[in-house]
Amino acid sequence: DSGVTQTPKHLITATGQRVTLRCSPRSGDLSVYWYQQSLDQGLQFLIQYYNGEERAKGNILERFSAQQFPDLHSELNLSSLELGDSALYFCASSVVRDLHTEAFFGQGTRLTVV
Amino acid sequence: AQKITQTQPGMFVQEKEAVTLDCTYDTSDPSYGLFWYKQPSSGEMIFLIYQGSYDQQNATEGRYSLNFQKARKSANLVISASQLGDSAMYFCAMREGDTGRRALTFGSGTRLQVQP
Repeated sequence: DSGVTQTPKHLITATGQRVTLRCSPRSGDLSVYWYQQSLDQGLQFLIQYYNGEERAKGNILERFSAQQFPDLHSELNLSSLELGDSALYFCASSVVRDLHTEAFFGQGTRLTVV
Repeated sequence: AQKITQTQPGMFVQEKEAVTLDCTYDTSDPSYGLFWYKQPSSGEMIFLIYQGSYDQQNATEGRYSLNFQKARKSANLVISASQLGDSAMYFCAMREGDTGRRALTFGSGTRLQVQP
C-alpha cells in the first residue's frame, strides 16, 4: 500500500459527460501529480500541484482541470468526455525534499467512456 | 525528442535467470534522477530503484540493480534470479533539476514475461 488513495477505482460513463476523480496523497506529501495512462500514449504527465497551487502543466487538455484543496487532497475534473479519454488515471504524491524523491502512486482510476 | 527511450516493447526470460531492461535518456541538465517502476497486471505502479546523476556507484535494491552509464546516457535495470512474480510492465522515468519538485517523465515501458 503506497498510502495514496484514489477513488473511484472504476468509472464508466457516456460521451459528453463530466466526471471527477479524487486523490488523497500520503500523509505529509505536499506535491500531487496526475498522470494519464492510455494504450497509445503511455504514461503522460497531466498536471502538478504543490501545497494548493498549480506548479506545472503537462499534456493536459483544456477540457480537463484539477485543483488541490487545503487538506491537500486533489481532484481531477474531466468534462465533455470523448471515447479517447478512456484510460487509467493515476495520482502520485511526493515529499519535495531533494532529487531522490520517488513518487508514490495510487491504484489508479480506470475510466471507460462509452 | 523523447526524453526517455525504452526500445524493448517485450522481453522473455527463464525463471532464475538474469534479465536486463534497457533505458536511455536525454537531458542537458547536469542534475537529474532516474527511476524504475514496476506495473503488474493489477495496475498499480511500484517504485523499484533510484539512481542520481551524481551518484558514483550503481544503485542496488535486493535483486534489482541499475547499470548506470552516464556517458552513454543509459540506465538499464538488471533483475537477477527472475521469479514468476516479476512478470509485469517496467517503466524507466527521469526527473530533471536538483530538487524533487518536477514531475517524472516516463518511457513507453517494457513488458517482461518470466517463463517457468
